[in-house]
Amino acid sequence: DIQMTQSPSTLSASVGDRVTITCRASQSIRSWLAWYQQKPGKAPKFLIYKASSLESGVPSRFSGSGSGTEFTLTISSLQPDDFATYYCQQYHDYALTFGGGTKVEIK
Amino acid sequence: EVQLVESGGGLVQPGGSLRLSCAASGFTFGSYWMSWVRQAPGKGLEWVANIKLDGSEKHYADSVKGRFTISRDNAKKSLWLQMDSLRGEDTAMYYCARDGFAVVAGMDYWGQGTLVTVSS
Repeated sequence: DIQMTQSPSTLSASVGDRVTITCRASQSIRSWLAWYQQKPGKAPKFLIYKASSLESGVPSRFSGSGSGTEFTLTISSLQPDDFATYYCQQYHDYALTFGGGTKVEIK
Repeated sequence: EVQLVESGGGLVQPGGSLRLSCAASGFTFGSYWMSWVRQAPGKGLEWVANIKLDGSEKHYADSVKGRFTISRDNAKKSLWLQMDSLRGEDTAMYYCARDGFAVVAGMDYWGQGTLVTVSS
């Protein structure tokens, strides 16, 4: 199975900060990567697909980049609604795998 | 409006069985791959299984292979997860999620989840 590793596991930031989360795959997944946001007690929300394509309705402060084995999710200016846990997920292989998650906390 | 509603969770003893259901509405169910994803208390997301549009292809996480079975009925717009030989580590919130149109492409809609607790 393809292993997905996210870093950092926790990130402390302030409103207005630029935030970057990294996701690494154990082998090349080309651009078959999605990002999700999850808040406590809620289902995950789909943010980005194909590594850099923004899902409809997702604010433009979110962006994704990368290909192969290295990917990033960037929030250009952190807003109060963005404090949550973020997950990457590969779909290069039919046996899907998620990263361990990155919790974005208030500094 | 796309809706996914899970049901069937509950308390079950180790070694027991449970069948989860997911009722879909608001989209052409038979045109999408579907997945089950779970989340143990305080832990991250874990993909469990997925199934192709017509049910002809199914894939499972190693942790559930041989114990869980995913199935669907496009006429009933329903997805199921039969869980047998349940273990304590299967305790989790189980989500039904819509995957891609015709191909696996990221899960764009999720249900609210149904809680499974495996304990004696």
